[in-house]
Amino acid sequence: AQSVTQLDSHVSVSEGTPVLLRCNYSSSYSPSLFWYVQHPNKGLQLLLKYTSAATLVKGINGFEAEFKKSETSFHLTKPSAHMSDAAEYSCSISNFGNEKLTFGTGTRLTIIP
Amino acid sequence: GAVVSQHPSWVICKSGTSVKIECRSLDFQATTMFWYRQFPKQSLMLMATSNEGSKATYEQGVEKDKFLINHASLTLSTLTVTSAHPEDSSFYICSARNDPDTQYFGPGTRLTVL
Repeated sequence: AQSVTQLDSHVSVSEGTPVLLRCNYSSSYSPSLFWYVQHPNKGLQLLLKYTSAATLVKGINGFEAEFKKSETSFHLTKPSAHMSDAAEYSCSISNFGNEKLTFGTGTRLTIIP
Repeated sequence: GAVVSQHPSWVICKSGTSVKIECRSLDFQATTMFWYRQFPKQSLMLMATSNEGSKATYEQGVEKDKFLINHASLTLSTLTVTSAHPEDSSFYICSARNDPDTQYFGPGTRLTVL
């Protein structure tokens, strides 16, 4: 069985300050981990993915995430928030060789001008 | 690249009627497409996996006779909600896969059953 927990349903940060969106996972196998972003009326867009290569993964729009097996975490970070980052962010997991994605409940990111 | 569309984006129907939702991969061929459902304040939940030319594989608790999936071509999968009831009101999202690790998602279809 696999699961994902997104600890914060809503995060607010000021423009220009760092962003941290938390994700913890549970998996019996070697997982692949993903972060997706969804803007209103748009489909989920892949930000970045971890698939057993480098533990620090860089994605689009300046986001990155670090896979920490000891902490079973895959937190998403960005050094400086931009107004356009306001969106819903979802962390998901699939087990190696298993294509099924399991999603967390999502985190809504609000950027304060 | 890797764009997935869904039609319609929203639909309202009467209880007891059937609704068809289309999912298309616009610029790539997808041997596998997935259908998800999301209720308010809940996570996206996989309903079924659809492989081109074969029967869909449904997740536990999803009625295959109620949610009919057809994946007749490498760019089109359809989900038909048969005899819809108000409890079927939800946000339905499809995705298509073009490499082993990555799914590309459509914008979703909001279904409201009166």
